[in-house]
Amino acid sequence: TQLLEQSPQFLSIQEGENLTVYCNSSSVFSSLQWYRQEPGEGPVLLVTVVTGGEVKKLKRLTFQFGDARKDSSLHITAAQPGDTGLYLCAGARVLGYSTLTFGKGTMLLVSP
Amino acid sequence: SQTIHQWPATLVQPVGSPLSLECTVEGTSNPNLYWYRQAAGRGLQLLFYSVGIGQISSEVPQNLSASRPQDRQFILSSKKLLLSDSGFYLCAWSRTGTSDTQYFGPGTRLTVL
Repeated sequence: TQLLEQSPQFLSIQEGENLTVYCNSSSVFSSLQWYRQEPGEGPVLLVTVVTGGEVKKLKRLTFQFGDARKDSSLHITAAQPGDTGLYLCAGARVLGYSTLTFGKGTMLLVSP
Repeated sequence: SQTIHQWPATLVQPVGSPLSLECTVEGTSNPNLYWYRQAAGRGLQLLFYSVGIGQISSEVPQNLSASRPQDRQFILSSKKLLLSDSGFYLCAWSRTGTSDTQYFGPGTRLTVL
């Protein structure tokens, strides 16, 4: 059973468009992370959200943690080709030490 | 600042051969260390994690083993590789006492023929 479901699995858009990707679960997480991974490289941490309802912005990227801490979204404004990559969400079930659960990712392709 | 290294970057091995992948972290002490496998550019499967020297927890039964001979060194091994061991292997670290922010190495692409 996949604890974190990401949607869509694949997204192909034109430069300048806006998009939202989702990370959903029936489980509560103490924190949730978003990573971006480029082909052949390791994932790079974008953000960690820990408080229900929290919104964080990173330039054109907006991350939101659901009020119940079961879901999260990533919104990209005016996408650029450099945003292309695999976006992974990961959740920690318990405060302090626990292992992370990763979603399967959303592959984003932004064409010029 | 902290850095994490993995080697080799790529590896092609025959079925039945041994494996040793190495991961080292610089700039931090007593990190938690993790080995993941990623198939087909998708989600990450946690293989092993370690909270200290000689302390290894295995998440899935498999053909692989892990060791942590030094504080900032994590090794993934196999005595006899299977075709199904092919994949992209990632090492990650997190600060002591927490796992919710992990930092990944560049990965090793393993192809078993």
